[in-house]
Amino acid sequence: AQTVTQSQPEMSVQEAETVTLSCTYDTSESDYYLFWYKQPPSRQMILVIRQEAYKQQNATENRFSVNFQKAAKSFSLKISDSQLGDAAMYFCAYRSGWGDDKIIFGKGTRLHILP
Amino acid sequence: NAGVTQTPKFRVLKTGQSMTLLCAQDMNHEYMYWYRQDPGMGLRLIHYSVGEGTTAKGEVPDGYNVSRLKKQNFLLGLESAAPSQTSVYFCASRAGLAGASSYEQYFGPGTRLTVT
Repeated sequence: AQTVTQSQPEMSVQEAETVTLSCTYDTSESDYYLFWYKQPPSRQMILVIRQEAYKQQNATENRFSVNFQKAAKSFSLKISDSQLGDAAMYFCAYRSGWGDDKIIFGKGTRLHILP
Repeated sequence: NAGVTQTPKFRVLKTGQSMTLLCAQDMNHEYMYWYRQDPGMGLRLIHYSVGEGTTAKGEVPDGYNVSRLKKQNFLLGLESAAPSQTSVYFCASRAGLAGASSYEQYFGPGTRLTVT
């Protein structure tokens, strides 16, 4: 079975600095998708970025980018120029490329932004 | 365009009581999901539906039932609530096409349920 591990329960970063959140996953599949979701205090789950496993190029969305290392099964999220609004729980998630329509979530990393 | 809405936002139940959570989406999405989120945990899938009239079990289905009588609605029922079902419940939906962009799930705002 697939698993997703986020080893950092909490992190802090100074405003305007860069922070990297770690995520590793375990799977025997070659075709899959990876996601980072943000959950601010409002509880609303918001998709931040996604990565298809067959793409070698790392996904980027404005200040958010990933470092996808397929062989190492690592999928870290880098937030550049951190802003106060980035404070939230961040969840890494995995979806198989075929078969069951289920997303497996990690336990999350709480990110604090220090003014 | 409201997206995904959930009713109610908060609820307190006594052990043994029953209730139904309603999820509605106005995006014509085929797929709908119910998750629960507990402290220190990510989201865990309870049940899901791949289309009107269909349902399937997720990771933690015990103690819950679901129905998808209309495409836009997905109901989650607790027949006899237990304290272990105290949680925040999220509904989500997505389009039915294949490919990474359509695998994106759109989430509702959540329902905080407390069972005493």
